Amino acid sequence: QKEVEQNSGPLSVPEGAIASLNCTYSDRGSQSFFWYRQYSGKSPELIMFIYSNGDKEDGRFTAQLNKASQYVSLLIRDSQPSDSATYLCAIKGPSNTGKLIFGQGTTLQVKP
Amino acid sequence: DVKVTQSSRYLVKRTGEKVFLECVQDMDHENMFWYRQDPGLGLRLIYFSYDVKMKEKGDIPEGYSVSREKKERFSLILESASTNQTSMYLCASSSGQGRETQYFGPGTRLLVL
Repeated sequence: QKEVEQNSGPLSVPEGAIASLNCTYSDRGSQSFFWYRQYSGKSPELIMFIYSNGDKEDGRFTAQLNKASQYVSLLIRDSQPSDSATYLCAIKGPSNTGKLIFGQGTTLQVKP
Repeated sequence: DVKVTQSSRYLVKRTGEKVFLECVQDMDHENMFWYRQDPGLGLRLIYFSYDVKMKEKGDIPEGYSVSREKKERFSLILESASTNQTSMYLCASSSGQGRETQYFGPGTRLLVL
């Protein structure tokens, strides 16, 4: 079992819809959870981080964390074509090294 | 804002050459990381450093070495470049003070002929 799993997609949604991206992880001791967006040919950029169970909202983005079920999700409301990218889930485990474990990413396509 | 810079955006080298990739961060971060990213394989950690002159191997260190002589600078060295090291190389840094958000540089796309 991979430490961090994401569906590679592509996930295709129409413009204006809600896009839901999911990530599951295996280490129950994981502490911090991150979502990065990566446009083709570019480097990952941080969208959101979440540390506690529940929802965290930032503009059109909502991160949801459920530690009991070991999943974290990202919702994008009112999806725009400019949201088309690969979304990487990253998780910091219980160690003190600062290392993050990245999922392979989900490709999102928002169609006009 | 955190700024992480990498010395080159694109690089073309020949097999057997020694290649240096430089990364500089301006936020006094303790941790620095080198990844490579290949289609279908995701981000793979090559090496990381948690302090000046300190380093640890990541998941794929073979064929690479690193140097961190100053806190702001982390270099990746390909001792003898091979074609299978053609890849996108990404540097990242994090504060080392708990939550560990990593900030990435723009990446270096390396082609080894």
